This record gives sequence, structure tokens and C-alpha cells, in this order.
Amino acid sequence: GDSVTQMEGPVTLSEEAFLTINCTYTATGYPSLFWYVQYPGEGLQLLLKATKADDKGSNKGFEATYRKETTSFHLEKGSVQVSDSAVYFCALESGATNKLIFGTGTLLAVQP
Amino acid sequence: DSGVTQTPKHLITATGQRVTLRCSPRSGDLSVYWYQQSLDQGLQFLIQYYNGEERAKGNILERFSAQQFPDLHSELNLSSLELGDSALYFCASSLAGAGTYEQYFGPGTRLTVT
Repeated sequence: GDSVTQMEGPVTLSEEAFLTINCTYTATGYPSLFWYVQYPGEGLQLLLKATKADDKGSNKGFEATYRKETTSFHLEKGSVQVSDSAVYFCALESGATNKLIFGTGTLLAVQP
Repeated sequence: DSGVTQTPKHLITATGQRVTLRCSPRSGDLSVYWYQQSLDQGLQFLIQYYNGEERAKGNILERFSAQQFPDLHSELNLSSLELGDSALYFCASSLAGAGTYEQYFGPGTRLTVT
């Protein structure tokens, strides 16, 4: 079945460092791909999405490109801030019903 | 604020009991999804309703059931609770049940089974 694999955390970075969180997927067809963020004690918020191959999703300085050839959707940010500390989930939209299949989540801790 | 509301925020109950979690979708959204977030299973899709009808089922136990009412709010019923049912339960809503529409998540209900 469809699945998402993302890098284990926690990822600890200093402020202004470059961030990469790896995400790869297995799916039939060409699903839409998403990154969600969960701040402590809160629900999930959509960070960015891409609906077809070579699309780049971007929001708040974060970017991810839908790579069909490597089945990947890695999250990047050029300069992280303490306020970016959160858990990041990669997800795909499975089948015709839009259910989301999530990766295990990656905890990002940014230190001042 | 996503516009999706969930009640209660926290729930503590004993094994063997039954609880009901409630979700109100964003205004205009017809589709409601339930997800379970636990330490050992991660975030898992449970069930989806679209305009009152069940649309898709995931890893939902037989002890769990859900429904969506004519006013589009949804309830998730969990019965014969076990310690392993302790988790954060999220509701999400989207405009439609097909096509790529963003899912907006509620703040979740934290269930603790003792």
C-alpha cells in the first residue's frame, strides 16, 4: 500500500542554519504531497503542498519539490528561526478519497 | 485558528467505558476525516465522511464507530476502551470528498484511558 518515509529526528540546529528534512514515498499513481507542521500542544497546519511532478510548494521560507524520478519531497529552509521549532510531517493523499498517509514526523529543535 | 472545533479538549476515562468525541467542520466543508495520533502508531487515518455518507475507512477498530449528521458535525464513538486507545484524536475537514482540497485540522481531543 501507499506509504511515506521521513528522516528520524530529532533534528537540532542553531538559528540561521540550513534545514533539510528528507521524505520519500511509495504510491500507485501520482499522489499530491504535503508537509504539515505541528507546534507544541496544537493541531496540524498545512505548511505547503505540491500536486504534480516538478511542482515546488513554498510557504514561510520553506520549500519542497515533487520529484517523481526519486519519489521524494524533501523539505528545505535556508535560515531557520527558533520559532520554527515543531514537529514536521510529510504526507501523501491516497487514492480517490483524499485520506492522508503520514510519515512518522520529525522533531525540529532550533537553538538561539 | 483552522475553523474546525473539537470537544472535549481532554477526556480521562477508565477501561471498558465508552466515550463520544465531537467535531464541527469549517463552514462550507462537506467532508470530515478522523485521525488517531499515538506514540507507537503515529498519525493514522481512521474514517472519512462526506455529506453524511461514509466515504473511506482506514485502520479503525470494530469497537470504534462514527457518523456525520445533517448539520455536518461528526461524532466518533469509542467503546470498550483499552489502555492502548489512549491517544490524540484529530478531526479534519475539507470542502469536498474527492480532488485535492486542503484538510483543515482541529486542535484534537486527548483521550487518556486508565
